[in-house]
Amino acid sequence: GENVEQHPSTLSVQEGDSAVIKCTYSDSASNYFPWYKQELGKGPQLIIDIRSNVGEKKDQRIAVTLNKTAKHFSLHITETQPEDSAVYFCAAFHTGTASKLTFGTGTRLQVTL
Amino acid sequence: SAVISQKPSRDICQRGTSLTIQCQVDSQVTMMFWYRQQPGQSLTLIATANQGSEATYESGFVIDKFPISRPNLTFSTLTVSNMSPEDSSIYLCSGGGTANEKLFFGSGTQLSVL
Repeated sequence: GENVEQHPSTLSVQEGDSAVIKCTYSDSASNYFPWYKQELGKGPQLIIDIRSNVGEKKDQRIAVTLNKTAKHFSLHITETQPEDSAVYFCAAFHTGTASKLTFGTGTRLQVTL
Repeated sequence: SAVISQKPSRDICQRGTSLTIQCQVDSQVTMMFWYRQQPGQSLTLIATANQGSEATYESGFVIDKFPISRPNLTFSTLTVSNMSPEDSSIYLCSGGGTANEKLFFGSGTQLSVL
């Protein structure tokens, strides 16, 4: 089955700096990669996703890059703000099959003033 | 996007009792899932809630312990049966369209078993 590794487990950045979270996956058949943001006491919120036929996707301050050859994908947050502080989860999935969405172990991002 | 309402949001239960968690989606969704999340941990899939048929359980989870219903395309319930302190966790409902794409989550049920 799929295995997703996520690094770092914790990340502290100053407001305005950029943050990068990296994930690697094991199943070369995986073709859908979402990122979730989870604030304290809330459920995970889908913030961006990418399919394997795209190398990069951007939505305002958030971008995701995918390297299929190396089987890794990354979340980039620019101009970080205190409200970006949360736990971020990457995930991988092979669409069209009955397999499950496999989540990474999470990254706790702290944006300091 | 789908809005998922889950209740109760939290509960404290005595061991040996059962709790049923309800999940309501504001639109019809193809797929619904139930996850468990231990404090500070990632999400673990319990089962896929299938409309009109028995749920599909992941390894380590059984129907007798976690019976699931899904009578239609917008509603599902998860029951945690014969609870023990080890069942203390956050239980999350999710729903989405095709397969696992665009999966949205409820706010979770924080369960404490004494």
